[in-house]
Amino acid sequence: DADVTQTPRNRITKTGKRIMLECSQTKGHDRMYWYRQDPGLGLRLIYYSFDVKDINKGEISDGYSVSRQAQAKFSLSLESAIPNQTALYFCATSSVGFSTDTQYFGPGTRLTVL
Amino acid sequence: AQSVTQLGSHVSVSEGALVLLRCNYSSSVPPYLFWYVQYPNQGLQLLLKYTTGATLVKGINGFEAEFKKSETSFHLTKPSAHMSDAAEYFCAVSGGSSGYALNFGKGTSLLVTP
Repeated sequence: DADVTQTPRNRITKTGKRIMLECSQTKGHDRMYWYRQDPGLGLRLIYYSFDVKDINKGEISDGYSVSRQAQAKFSLSLESAIPNQTALYFCATSSVGFSTDTQYFGPGTRLTVL
Repeated sequence: AQSVTQLGSHVSVSEGALVLLRCNYSSSVPPYLFWYVQYPNQGLQLLLKYTTGATLVKGINGFEAEFKKSETSFHLTKPSAHMSDAAEYFCAVSGGSSGYALNFGKGTSLLVTP
């Protein structure tokens, strides 16, 4: 089984709808991240969490919110989706929190907002 | 703030030829540098990383990268390309802040031709 899973893998929604993307991990890591990938732009950080009680905004948090329900679960919500939020979304985890830590990525959720 | 620049959004090589993917970094502190690979419809996988010590870093699948402080570079190489190397490659630097999230380059798409 994969260490970092994301659901759904693909989602098509309409402008104005609320949508939640979910991430679960079995690696026992404390730190979790949400990134967004757009063609030609690489990955950009949306939110990150040190633990259940510590959530922080990243580079492009506007229009998004997150919830850390447990150490293993980190959800990303779009309260009112808009077309420019169409992108590939990745969840990632890392362990104790050093600059040298490897981040482990989920398979991604491809979101299309019509 | 730390950042990386990947030179060339698309690189094409023949099977068996040298692979060279370029990455330059900008950092006010000693950088921790990473190369990730993304195969089609998959998440990102770590190829290799530089933290401290030996400047020539060996990774998986025959890839290696050399940290050159004088040139602020961390180029990825492989002596002989295989068809299976076709993928998107991302250079990244550990942000230091933002919970040690990664700052990614825009990616280089590697095409391997027979």
